[in-house]
Amino acid sequence: AQSVTQLGSHVSVSEGALVLLRCNYSSSVPPYLFWYVQYPNQGLQLLLKYTSAATLVKGINGFEAEFKKSETSFHLTKPSAHMSDAAEYFCAVSDGSSGDKLTFGTGTRLAVRP
Amino acid sequence: EAQVTQNPRYLITVTGKKLTVTCSQNMNHEYMSWYRQDPGLGLRQIYYSMNVEVTDKGDVPEGYKVSRKEKRNFPLILESPSPNQTSLYFCASSPHGSRGLNNEQFFGPGTRLTVL
Repeated sequence: AQSVTQLGSHVSVSEGALVLLRCNYSSSVPPYLFWYVQYPNQGLQLLLKYTSAATLVKGINGFEAEFKKSETSFHLTKPSAHMSDAAEYFCAVSDGSSGDKLTFGTGTRLAVRP
Repeated sequence: EAQVTQNPRYLITVTGKKLTVTCSQNMNHEYMSWYRQDPGLGLRQIYYSMNVEVTDKGDVPEGYKVSRKEKRNFPLILESPSPNQTSLYFCASSPHGSRGLNNEQFFGPGTRLTVL
């Protein structure tokens, strides 16, 4: 069975500050890992995904995540927050046991203060 | 434009009145899935389909039905809705249902359902 834990349901940062959203996973097989973003009243949009080709993954809008197998983590970072980054962020894992089934974390709502 | 569409976007109904939420994708994807999103619980998979006429239960299938008669469509059916099915529903699709292809899932805009 696979699972995802996102620490912190709400994170608030100042504009220009570092964004760090935490994600830890468990999986019985090498996982595929994803970060999705959900803007208000919209569907989910893929930010980035871990394909096992490189441990540091770069995504859209300046976000990146590092896969650390020893820590079973896939934290999302962005060096400098922008007001437009305010959204809810979901980490998800897939181990292929049911096709492309994604198991999601509970989400982290990011607020950006002016 | 490649997309997943859902209808309706908003629906208020009453307990026991059958309803269908439609989902359609124009990307020729094999894999389609339904999720529900609830505060504090993230998204949970209801049903999925690996291809036409192939469907299976996800984590929370009780009270729902699906069908996959055509590749592009994957309707979600609530035959007797109850208030605990009040939620935000997302349909998603991806190119293949096979492990190893690391497929991105494309999500529809969501359907907000309220059951009174």
